[in-house]
Amino acid sequence: QLVVTQSPSASASLGASVKLTCTLTSGHTAFAIAWHQQQPEKGPRYLMKVNSDGSHIKGDGIPDRFSGSSSGAERYLTISSLQSEDDADYYCQTWGTGFRVFGGGTKLTVL
Amino acid sequence: DVQLVESGGGLVQSGGSLRLSCVASGFSVGTNYLSWVRQAPGKGLEWLSVIYAGGSTYYADSVKDRFTISRDNSKNTLYLQMNSLRGEDTAVYFCARDRLSGSDGAFAVWGQGTMVIVSS
Repeated sequence: QLVVTQSPSASASLGASVKLTCTLTSGHTAFAIAWHQQQPEKGPRYLMKVNSDGSHIKGDGIPDRFSGSSSGAERYLTISSLQSEDDADYYCQTWGTGFRVFGGGTKLTVL
Repeated sequence: DVQLVESGGGLVQSGGSLRLSCVASGFSVGTNYLSWVRQAPGKGLEWLSVIYAGGSTYYADSVKDRFTISRDNSKNTLYLQMNSLRGEDTAVYFCARDRLSGSDGAFAVWGQGTMVIVSS
């Protein structure tokens, strides 16, 4: 069964960089994932799709500060030059025939 | 502009029913893969159901046999019929569209959500 795992929390200072991780269960390492951002009291926003080869496709208007990468079963979201508005929840999502699944989300605190 | 707008949420008693709507603009619901996702208060996102362009439907175990996804192409609207509602169904309900129907299930378009509260 496909399970997507994320660390519950992360923190980094204003202006610094942070790398969030999404881990797929073994046997599903070829799956692509999507990253979504949810700011407080708002709906989710699509950030990008990250393929198993590390290539990524960003949504419209997503700043260059956001980038994606991959290594084995792990998919990453790197945010550089952190700003206060990056303080949000970040969800990893993957999919297959007949299903979609989310990770538990990572709450990012910008200090 | 590509947009999804949900409506139909509200307060309902346990055991009751509710139908949510999601009106699409900028694209056709009949040629796209669309899902319903919910978020209970203080919790993460939970996928509920998807309808494919060809009409096939799939459900999460938590709502199978209670919820039904459908669409009306003439109204360009997606629906979620929710029956036998329970307290744990209390959540904000979002509709979302796959980035590329049939080949890319990333949710690239999201609605703003509609709140459902189930009282006991």
